[in-house]
Amino acid sequence: KQEVTQIPAALSVPEGENLVLNCSFTDSAIYNLQWFRQDPGKGLTSLLLIQSSQREQTSGRLNASLDKSSGRSTLYIAASQPGDSATYLCAVYGADSGGGADGLTFGKGTHLIIQP
Amino acid sequence: KAGVTQTPRYLIKTRGQQVTLSCSPISGHRSVSWYQQTPGQGLQFLFEYFSETQRNKGNFPGRFSGRQFSNSRSEMNVSTLELGDSALYLCASRSTGGAYGYTFGSGTRLTVV
Repeated sequence: KQEVTQIPAALSVPEGENLVLNCSFTDSAIYNLQWFRQDPGKGLTSLLLIQSSQREQTSGRLNASLDKSSGRSTLYIAASQPGDSATYLCAVYGADSGGGADGLTFGKGTHLIIQP
Repeated sequence: KAGVTQTPRYLIKTRGQQVTLSCSPISGHRSVSWYQQTPGQGLQFLFEYFSETQRNKGNFPGRFSGRQFSNSRSEMNVSTLELGDSALYLCASRSTGGAYGYTFGSGTRLTVV
């Protein structure tokens, strides 16, 4: 059974710092890995999708890397801003035998606070 | 392009009742999945549908069921509600193929009293 762990569980840093959020998963036979952010009481917003054949993806100040063999992914946030305050969730999914996907397995998330 | 739409946004039900939640995926997306989010357990996978067929199911009791219609809209039903079913229920849709990730709706907040 796939398990996803995110470290740290919470993080509070002053504005402007670069930071790294970590995600590890137990079964390396994943199809894709996706990073999301969630604001309080809201749904999930997709940040980055990394396919199993890729090593990293970038979007603006965000960069996510994937090392499938070691079961790890990192999300790097450059020049953090107060608007980045949210919970960041890492999720993986495998491919089912019929060519579909078998649903996302989520970590518990990292609760990030950026102090102005 | 419209996003994933979930209705209703909020719901209050009494123990023992049943409830039906609705999800309309992004146009063209044939895969719809459902998740339960609680403070204690985090986000947990309920089930995934593709072309009206349930493809995968998470570890939830049979009180939780779903279906998908020919237009890809999906409904989730919970029968005999328990207090522990209070949660944010999230729906996500996905296009087929490895290059596509999941897009989530805003969720339905269910409170069981």
